[in-house]
Amino acid sequence: QLQLQESGPGLVKPSETLSLTCTVSGGSISSSSYYWGWIRQPPGKGLEWIGSIYYSGSTYYNPSLKSRVTISVDTSKNQFSLKLSSVTAADTAVYYCAREVSTVTGLDAFDIWGQGTMVTVSS
Amino acid sequence: SSELTQDPAVSVALGQTVRITCQGDSLRSYYASWYQQKPGQAPVLVIYGKNNRPSGIPDRFSGSSSGNTASLTITGAQAEDEADYYCNSRDSSGNHLRVFGGGTKLTVL
Repeated sequence: QLQLQESGPGLVKPSETLSLTCTVSGGSISSSSYYWGWIRQPPGKGLEWIGSIYYSGSTYYNPSLKSRVTISVDTSKNQFSLKLSSVTAADTAVYYCAREVSTVTGLDAFDIWGQGTMVTVSS
Repeated sequence: SSELTQDPAVSVALGQTVRITCQGDSLRSYYASWYQQKPGQAPVLVIYGKNNRPSGIPDRFSGSSSGNTASLTITGAQAEDEADYYCNSRDSSGNHLRVFGGGTKLTVL
C-alpha cells in the first residue's frame, strides 16, 4: 500500500527558506500515471495547492507562490521536495504531500495524502 | 487564474440528504474532485471525475455537475460525515494548475 511521509524542520525563521521532503513507500515515484503535489493549510483555514511535479521533472506552480517555490524529485531515493524561500508568518501552515492522478480526460484527484507536517515561521 | 466558491457552512439532520456545492468557471470544462477533512486529520478523497468513489468510500457519497457548478451529495447523512469538505479542480487556463474551494463545514444535527 502506497504511503507518503513528510519530513523537515518544524520551525523556520522569517526570510529563510522552508525545506520539506516527501518520501514515497510501497510504490515507485517514477510511475508514468501520477504527479506528486504539495498542498498547505494555515491554522484554521482552507487548503491551498502549492505545486506539482512529474517524475521527469516537469513542474507546475501556484502563480501566487511561483516566485518563491521550487519542487524537485529524486527518483533514486523515491522522494520529492519542496523549497519555499523568503518565508513570513503567513507561510505558517500544515504542509501535505500527495499523489496526484491526472488524465487527459480530466480525471484529476489527489488520491493519497501524507499525514502532514506543521511548519511554524517565527524568530 | 480561477476561483472555486463554496458555502462556508451547511447543516443536515441525521439520515437526511445534503448537497454541498462548488461554483467556478473552470467547472464548465473540468471535473471537480471532493475531499473530506476531519479535525486534525489529512484530507481524504471521496469523489473524483464524473462520479467516481475511491475504494472504501460509502455509496451514500455521490457527485454531479451542471454548468459552472459541481455538487457533492450525501444521501442519508451519518454522524461520522460531520467534517469540512473541499472541492478541487483545474485552473480555467487549461494548464496543469489546481485550485481548491474555500471549504464547507458540514454539521450533522
